[in-house]
Amino acid sequence: NAGVTQTPKFQVLKTGQSMTLQCAQDMNHEYMSWYRQDPGMGLRLIHYSVGAGITDQGEVPNGYNVSRSTTEDFPLRLLSAAPSQTSVYFCASSVGGSNQPQHFGDGTRLSIL
Amino acid sequence: DQQVKQNSPSLSVQEGRISILNCDYTNSMFDYFLWYKKYPAEGPTFLISISSIKDKNEDGRFTVFLNKSAKHLSLHIVPSQPGDSAVYFCAASARSSNTGKLIFGQGTTLQVKP
Repeated sequence: NAGVTQTPKFQVLKTGQSMTLQCAQDMNHEYMSWYRQDPGMGLRLIHYSVGAGITDQGEVPNGYNVSRSTTEDFPLRLLSAAPSQTSVYFCASSVGGSNQPQHFGDGTRLSIL
Repeated sequence: DQQVKQNSPSLSVQEGRISILNCDYTNSMFDYFLWYKKYPAEGPTFLISISSIKDKNEDGRFTVFLNKSAKHLSLHIVPSQPGDSAVYFCAASARSSNTGKLIFGQGTTLQVKP
C-alpha cells in the first residue's frame, strides 16, 4: 500500500528560488497536514486542510502556500526560498477529526543555499 | 511558546529494562494525546494514544499514563528491546476544534543497549 507519498525525497535550492513539495495519499483521508522538523524543535505544523477546497494556517505558515483541489493531493509551495526554510518536511493525513492518528510520509529533505 | 514539552532530549536503557519517556503540556484544551516513533530517514509512525477521559492505555509492551491535574503524560516500554531505539514524539490535540491539528513535543531519542 502506498499510503502517503512525498516527492522529491531530497532537494537543494538557491535562495530566492521557488519550488513545490508534492504530497499524495491514496487512503481517501479528509485531513492532510504539512510539518517541518528542525533539530531541537520537534515537528511544527505549517498548514493543514480538513477537506478539498479548505486550508488553514498552522504554527509556522510564513513563507509557504498550500492548496487542496482534490482529496488526494496537498502540495506545499515555497515562493521565494530562504535559508531558514532548510528543514525536513513531512506530510500527513488522517481519516478525519482530531481523535484519529495521522499517517506520515517519509519526508522531503530540503536545503536552501 | 512550547505547548508540548519533552524535557529529556535522550534516554539510554539496557535491553529488558523499562523505558519511561515523559511529556508535559500547558494547554488545558488538549484532550487527546498520542505517541509517535521515528526511525532515521522515515516518517513518524503512530504508536499509542490516550483520551483525556482515561488515565491509562495499554498496547502490548507500551503503556501510556495521563495525569491531567499535572498536565503530564508518560510512555512506558516494558521490556525494552534494541529495535525500540528511535526518536519518540508526544503530540496533543483539542478534539473540540475538529481540525486534526497536532502539536508535537521536541522528541526524545531512546537508545536501548543489548
